[in-house]
Amino acid sequence: DSGVTQTPKHLITATGQRVTLRCSPRSGDLSVYWYQQSLDQGLQFLIQYYNGEERAKGNILERFSAQQFPDLHSELNLSSLELGDSALYFCASSSGTNQPQHFGDGTRLSIL
Amino acid sequence: AQKVTQAQTEISVVEKEDVTLDCVYETRDTTYYLFWYKQPPSGELVFLIRRNSFDEQNEISGRYSWNFQKSTSSFNFTITASQVVDSAVYFCALSEAGNTDKLIFGTGTRLQVFP
Repeated sequence: DSGVTQTPKHLITATGQRVTLRCSPRSGDLSVYWYQQSLDQGLQFLIQYYNGEERAKGNILERFSAQQFPDLHSELNLSSLELGDSALYFCASSSGTNQPQHFGDGTRLSIL
Repeated sequence: AQKVTQAQTEISVVEKEDVTLDCVYETRDTTYYLFWYKQPPSGELVFLIRRNSFDEQNEISGRYSWNFQKSTSSFNFTITASQVVDSAVYFCALSEAGNTDKLIFGTGTRLQVFP
């Protein structure tokens, strides 16, 4: 158990819809990262937050947004969903810069 | 630009064989960090090891060992006496010192260990 909790584990929805993925980091970790794993793109960094502030953005679509709340949990919002958004979305947290990132079990998103 | 290459897409071995997973990285930074993660069939990503660019000592942890060579920009992972439970996809990753320590992953190597 990594200590990082992601909900839900599975999500099935239709094109055009909006979903919210939730992540609770390990106790004490201030950094939260979101990654997308798909068959064609592999594991790709989306966005990073540190103590409530956005720190870095990767290949994140404009239809996607995220935030980190004062209690340090984070949410990833995906809107106007397309078939190509079907993927496994991971959240990770770490205790400091360049420390190991510990990953949640992921949310598997299926767009029908 | 930063890049991680895992040229071996899939490796199959029989139990008790030794197996080495290759990882080659590219970075312009002098300070960087290298990682290995394991993704078993259940899907989670499990952290295995972290190495910084100033520490070229090889590391051994049980049946696992890692060989870091800056001269060839490689960070290879060897499993000794492989077991069926080692079957998984293994990812090598790179992060650089700086404002963001995002992980740049290789494409992964699928290891299948047969009994």
